[in-house]
Amino acid sequence: DQQVKQNSPSLSVQEGRISILNCDYTNSMFDYFLWYKKYPAEGPTFLISISSIKDKNEDGRFTVFLNKSAKHLSLHIVPSQPGDSAVYFCAARGYSGAGSYQLTFGKGTKLSVIP
Amino acid sequence: NAGVTQTPKFRILKIGQSMTLQCTQDMNHNYMYWYRQDPGMGLKLIYYSVGAGITDKGEVPNGYNVSRSTTEDFPLRLELAAPSQTSVYFCASSYRRGPEYGYTFGSGTRLTVV
Repeated sequence: DQQVKQNSPSLSVQEGRISILNCDYTNSMFDYFLWYKKYPAEGPTFLISISSIKDKNEDGRFTVFLNKSAKHLSLHIVPSQPGDSAVYFCAARGYSGAGSYQLTFGKGTKLSVIP
Repeated sequence: NAGVTQTPKFRILKIGQSMTLQCTQDMNHNYMYWYRQDPGMGLKLIYYSVGAGITDKGEVPNGYNVSRSTTEDFPLRLELAAPSQTSVYFCASSYRRGPEYGYTFGSGTRLTVV
């Protein structure tokens, strides 16, 4: 069963416009949500996170919104730039026992920003 | 500032061969992880370690082994390679606390088993 779902495999956006990437989850015990960005042939890079007790976190052009009742989060990129073209992974952190935590990743959404 | 270093970057193995994927971090992170990413899929956790001498299974541990003799190194061992292990493997590390900073990932090892 997929606990973290990114239902859109790809998204195309015009440069300068807003990009909205969505993520749904099923496990209400997740306590942190993170977004990672991945370029081809590179490892994922941490982008932004949000605690489950908050509903919004902003960092420059990137804002993450969390709707706990809907078990839904979204990443907004404003304005979108060609360098934002990458695969974006949503991840959720859950407690796995003995003081340790694990991340569960979605399948990713490929964002293409068109100049 | 090397971060997380993985070697090799690419490898082709024959069925039944064995190999070790190397992972080293220089950030003094206690937590280290091995993930695999199959095409079109998210990352799946293979094994993780909360400190030297302590390892535990993740979501997909079958066919793999790990060890953690030092804080810096976390090698992943494939004993009898199978085509199902064709994947991209990522090593990552993190502080014990601080999920707001996420994990630091290596650049990956692309493994093909033929």
